[in-house]
Amino acid sequence: EAQVTQNPRYLITVTGKKLTVTCSQNMNHEYMSWYRQDPGLGLRQIYYSMNVEVTDKGDVPEGYKVSRKEKRNFPLILESPSPNQTSLYFCASSFRGLADRNAYNEQFFGPGTRLTVL
Amino acid sequence: AQSVSQHNHHVILSEAASLELGCNYSYGGTVNLFWYVQYPGQHLQLLLKYFSGDPLVKGIKGFEAEFIKSKFSFNLRKPSVQWSDTAEYFCAVTLISGGYNKLIFGAGTRLAVHP
Repeated sequence: EAQVTQNPRYLITVTGKKLTVTCSQNMNHEYMSWYRQDPGLGLRQIYYSMNVEVTDKGDVPEGYKVSRKEKRNFPLILESPSPNQTSLYFCASSFRGLADRNAYNEQFFGPGTRLTVL
Repeated sequence: AQSVSQHNHHVILSEAASLELGCNYSYGGTVNLFWYVQYPGQHLQLLLKYFSGDPLVKGIKGFEAEFIKSKFSFNLRKPSVQWSDTAEYFCAVTLISGGYNKLIFGAGTRLAVHP
C-alpha cells in the first residue's frame, strides 16, 4: 500500500531533550516536506527536500533540522525542543517538485505526530 | 509575501444545505490550487486540484471548486452537505515560479454539519 508513515504518532518530552521524528514513504517520491499545524494558522512548511541531499527552508525553519540521505526517508530533528514547538506535525511527499506542472504532483500526507514539549 | 485567505473560520450547516467556502490568494503569477480535507483525528486528504484547463474542477465526494483568475479565488462548493462532511477544510496554493516549491495553506475552515 502506497503511504507516508511517521513515528512516533504521539510524543511528550521536556525542554532541551533532542528528538527525531521519522518520516518514510514507499512511493519513490522525489519531493518530501514537513509541516506544522497550529490552530488558526493552518499548516506551515518547515523544510522541504527536492531529492536526496537537497533540502531547503520553508516558512518556519527555526529550531528544526532535516536530512535526506535516502530517497524514502526524511527525518525531522529538534536539537533543543522548546514549548513553542508543541504542535501537530505532518510529513508529506510528492512525485516531483511542486512547481512541476507536468507531473502529478499531489502531496500525500502522513498521519501526523502530536508533539508536546513541557 | 504570498498568502492564502479563507474567509470563514467556522461554518455550521444543517444536512442538505448548500456549502460554499471562500479562498483567495495573493499572487499574480501562475498557480496550482488545491483543497484538502481533514476529518477529525485524521491526516489531510486531497479533495480536488486545479493545474490548468477548465476552471470548474470536480473532486471527490461531490465537491467542486471554481478558479476565477481575475478574482484570485478558488471557492469550494457542494450542493448538499451530509453529516459526514464535518471536517476542517484547507485551501492551498503552489506558486509556479522557477524553483519555488512551497505549498502555502490557508488557516482552514471548520465545518460542522448537523443532522
